[in-house]
Amino acid sequence: DTGVSQDPRHKITKRGQNVTFRCDPISEHNRLYWYRQTLGQGPEFLTYFQNEAQLEKSRLLSDRFSAERPKGSFSTLEIQRTEQGDSAMYLCASSLVGQLLNTGELFFGEGSRLTVL
Amino acid sequence: AQSVTQLGSHVSVSEGALVLLRCNYSSSVPPYLFWYVQYPNKGLQLLLKYTSAATLVKGINGFEAEFKKSETSFHLTKPSAHMSDAAEYFCARRDSNYQLIWGAGTKLIIKP
Repeated sequence: DTGVSQDPRHKITKRGQNVTFRCDPISEHNRLYWYRQTLGQGPEFLTYFQNEAQLEKSRLLSDRFSAERPKGSFSTLEIQRTEQGDSAMYLCASSLVGQLLNTGELFFGEGSRLTVL
Repeated sequence: AQSVTQLGSHVSVSEGALVLLRCNYSSSVPPYLFWYVQYPNKGLQLLLKYTSAATLVKGINGFEAEFKKSETSFHLTKPSAHMSDAAEYFCARRDSNYQLIWGAGTKLIIKP
């Protein structure tokens, strides 16, 4: 399978616990994005990486949220001290940018659904 | 400001009827435009994209969209709705930094 994969697909946790989601992008893609989506809403941009550099993180929802992409391949999104309001689908997407004629469309994973009790 | 507007948060059509989902964009330069579909509890899947080539773009599952610069529109259509088309549809445009600006989405409901 050469698509974007996310793990775990579902996570149920108690308030106050930390959770970590992993995303493996399409291998040749240099950009990786994290989005959050709540029921009935569109994707809400959180952060993105170009290779290993995190180029935008001001949209992360609070300092409890952090993301890494240490070697420019897979990425992790960590939420510390989870709150019930963090319950949502967390989507990862990847794209290839910077090449001539590349349109930069995003390829999404299936998402990681978080439920905070 | 750059934006994408989808008219109608919900659209309901009968099975076999024409599907029309509306998308308008604002842009000072010809944009790259996309339609994505999201089935329940799934990620987003690219339906089709406009990249300044042909103004009528054909996508997967029988969908197509027409880019109309004069109307700043990129409406999504399908001649005959199928029950399996029930999903949420998102229109998006690419900005200068290859980021996507999203519409709010339209939920398509298919009546038997």
